[in-house]
Amino acid sequence: RKEVEQDPGPFNVPEGATVAFNCTYSNSASQSFFWYRQDCRKEPKLLMSVYSSGNEDGRFTAQLNRASQYISLLIRDSKLSDSATYLCVVNEESGGYQKVTFGTGTKLQVIP
Amino acid sequence: DAGVIQSPRHEVTEMGQEVTLRCKPISGHDYLFWYRQTMMRGLELLIYFNNNVPIDDSGMPEDRFSAKMPNASFSTLKIQPSEPRDSAVYFCASSLAPGASVSTDTQYFGPGTRLTVL
Repeated sequence: RKEVEQDPGPFNVPEGATVAFNCTYSNSASQSFFWYRQDCRKEPKLLMSVYSSGNEDGRFTAQLNRASQYISLLIRDSKLSDSATYLCVVNEESGGYQKVTFGTGTKLQVIP
Repeated sequence: DAGVIQSPRHEVTEMGQEVTLRCKPISGHDYLFWYRQTMMRGLELLIYFNNNVPIDDSGMPEDRFSAKMPNASFSTLKIQPSEPRDSAVYFCASSLAPGASVSTDTQYFGPGTRLTVL
């Protein structure tokens, strides 16, 4: 089983739709979680951190389920500009070592 | 702040040549990461440094790859000799202090170096 798994997509959704991505991780000792966004031929950029209680930023909601070891990202009222690849990131600290693992990304295409 | 700076942005070279990629992290960031991204394998962590010291290089593919960080504001990733399978986008990222808190875990990426080995 991969350490961090995402559905690669692509997810093709119409403008205004709600879309959700999940990301599962294998190590229960993982400590912090993030969603990054990567536009075509650009670098990844932080979209939002994921807190245990869930957090919302405008149209975006991120949730963490430690029991089932997954994080989710919900995008409401999709815009054309949301088209990108969304990467989940899992961070684990162990014995002074930092292990950062990126998922392979889920591609979203918002269609007019 | 200018953000993470990488050079060159594009590099085309022939198999067997030495390639050196450069990175300047954000001032004050103690951690520096090198990643490689391909369509097949996604984003892979190659190595990271803490206060200029390499901490984990288990992601470095083989002895042809080496990375150094001679000071807090500069790092290099060298491939010698280069091979066509090394063709990828190489990203450098920096952060404050992963593990300290969620806010300090955020990694800021440079624009990447697109490497093509013919």
